[in-house]
Amino acid sequence: KAGVTQTPRYLIKTRGQQVTLSCSPISGHRSVSWYQQTPGQGLQFLFEYFSETQRNKGNFPGRFSGRQFSNSRSEMNVSTLELGDSALYLCASSIQEAYNEQFFGPGTRLTVL
Amino acid sequence: GNSVTQMEGPVTLSEEAFLTINCTYTATGYPSLFWYVQYPGEGLQLLLKATKADDKGSNKGFEATYRKETTSFHLEKGSVQVSDSAVYFCASGGSYIPTFGRGTSLIVHP
Repeated sequence: KAGVTQTPRYLIKTRGQQVTLSCSPISGHRSVSWYQQTPGQGLQFLFEYFSETQRNKGNFPGRFSGRQFSNSRSEMNVSTLELGDSALYLCASSIQEAYNEQFFGPGTRLTVL
Repeated sequence: GNSVTQMEGPVTLSEEAFLTINCTYTATGYPSLFWYVQYPGEGLQLLLKATKADDKGSNKGFEATYRKETTSFHLEKGSVQVSDSAVYFCASGGSYIPTFGRGTSLIVHP
């Protein structure tokens, strides 16, 4: 069974631009969560989607948004990029809506210049 | 809110040494607890989990026991290998929004 895939793997943007990241969960997984990983803050929960509905949201500004499609694929969007948005963005999928075993993708490394 | 605190690294050991990485949690209820491992350039992989008090999770020689009395979930391995070098994350979840510790880097020398 294929694992969680994320595209692109690397991205370089400039301040003020917007970016869209994509995540394809493991087949049959209906829950997709997004995380931001930085050396300073560690791994922080952004939001979780289950059956196309945002179920939970972390403490991030409204510039961070996401959506999930009927095939469970998910996208996250960051508008008006800031230097502090440079991070590794991880996507994780799981079968159930509860946060049990999560399977992580390799991440998208976003650099904002 | 819930939080997870784990010992800061890096932890540097010689091959075949005993490993302990401490992890404590705070929660309003009884979350599930997890250890994840991250190798360079990769995402996190679930190493082991425990869903209720006194449960012991184990995998690849690693073990951790869910201690409700001490709100702890310490990771242990009796004999580490060079290939165990990675960053280890303690996390809480289950019916609660996942919360991760800051990660502990483990370096194992031959």
